[in-house]
This record gives sequence, C-alpha cells and structure tokens, in this order.
Amino acid sequence: ETGVTQSPTHLIKTRGQQVTLRCSSQSGHNTVSWYQQALGQGPQFIFQYYREEENGRGNFPPRFSGLQFPNYSSELNVNALELDDSALYLCASSFLQNTEAFFGQGTRLTVV
Amino acid sequence: TQLLEQSPQFLSIQEGENLTVYCNSSSVFSSLQWYRQEPGEGPVLLVTVVTGGEVKKLKRLTFQFGDARKDSSLHITAAQPGDTGLYLCAGGYGGKLIFGQGTTLQVKP
Repeated sequence: ETGVTQSPTHLIKTRGQQVTLRCSSQSGHNTVSWYQQALGQGPQFIFQYYREEENGRGNFPPRFSGLQFPNYSSELNVNALELDDSALYLCASSFLQNTEAFFGQGTRLTVV
Repeated sequence: TQLLEQSPQFLSIQEGENLTVYCNSSSVFSSLQWYRQEPGEGPVLLVTVVTGGEVKKLKRLTFQFGDARKDSSLHITAAQPGDTGLYLCAGGYGGKLIFGQGTTLQVKP
C-alpha cells in the first residue's frame, strides 16, 4: 500500500510569484484535503477535493486554488505569494469524505 | 465557528512520569482524531474515536471521547523520550478536520 506523497519537500519563492504543490493520495483513497500549518500552530483547512470537484473550503482567499485528477492526485496552486504564505503545506487523503485522514510529509514553502 | 482548544500548549517532563493532554470545544464533532507530528513531518494518525464516552488504548496511550462528543483527552503512562513530539487533536466536521493548536511534549531521559 502506497502512502500519501508530496512534492517538492522544500521550496523557496519570491513574493508575488506563483507556486504549484503536488500530492499523490494513498492507494484506495478518493478524497484529498489540503492544510496550511504555520510554525507552532495546528493545521488550517484550505479545501477538499472529491471526484475532481472542490468539496468545501476554509477561510482562504481565491488565490489559493486546486485541482484533482482522475487518478485522485491533486495540486494546490497559490498565486501572488505573500510573506505570510510561508508555512508547511500538508496534503491528506481519505476514503470518500471520511474524516480519518492520512497525511503526507508536507511541503515547506518559504516566501522571501 | 468550530474551535478546538488544547491544553497545555507545552509540557516538559521526566521519563517515567504520567501526563494528560486535553482537547475541548463548544461544538459537537462526528469524530475526533489524535495525531502525533515530528518536526518537518506530516501528522501521523494515532487513533480515531467516534462514540461519546469511548475509550481506546494504544500501548501506554489512553484516549477518551467525552460523552457529549465535545471534548477528548490523551493520557500517557510512564512517558519515554520517544514520546516527544507535537500532539494534535482534530475534530471531524462536515468532511473536514478542525485542529487544535497542538501540545508540544518533551520527555527528558
């Protein structure tokens, strides 16, 4: 059984740039959720994808967008990066919309 | 807005001591998960509780879900240095997880 994998593991971007983060879901899982975790905080829900459609969104601006592909993998895109976007971005996969989620190792994004 | 508050935020204890971490909310959750996270890594699921009053044991860890499904606790018996990490509770709500701010546990040898 393959776990959740994210790429890249680390990334440095300049303010105003755009970034794409990728996630492969765990085998047998069809739902992907993205979370942002600032240093010393718990993860914050960004959005969830199920059957290639956005299925719930947290309190994040529209410059945070995503995609889910037929193989259930997913992308998180962030436009017009701001310094406060620096964080660990976590992808979690689950079966249907069961909240028992399994996380990838995360992508550490630094905006300078 | 659903919020989960964890306490304490930081805990530093000696090996062999017992400890309890609390997770409280004014909201009802369909389920509650506990995760452990190492620095620079993603959270690892420890347990899921779904029934009010449920108690689950995982070796030296005991998890309890409150009767009203609004709160939970994690008790560690005879803590070991390998238990060091960030412990997160997360409530299931509408298909998403609401996380507490975490409890950083340091167990000194």
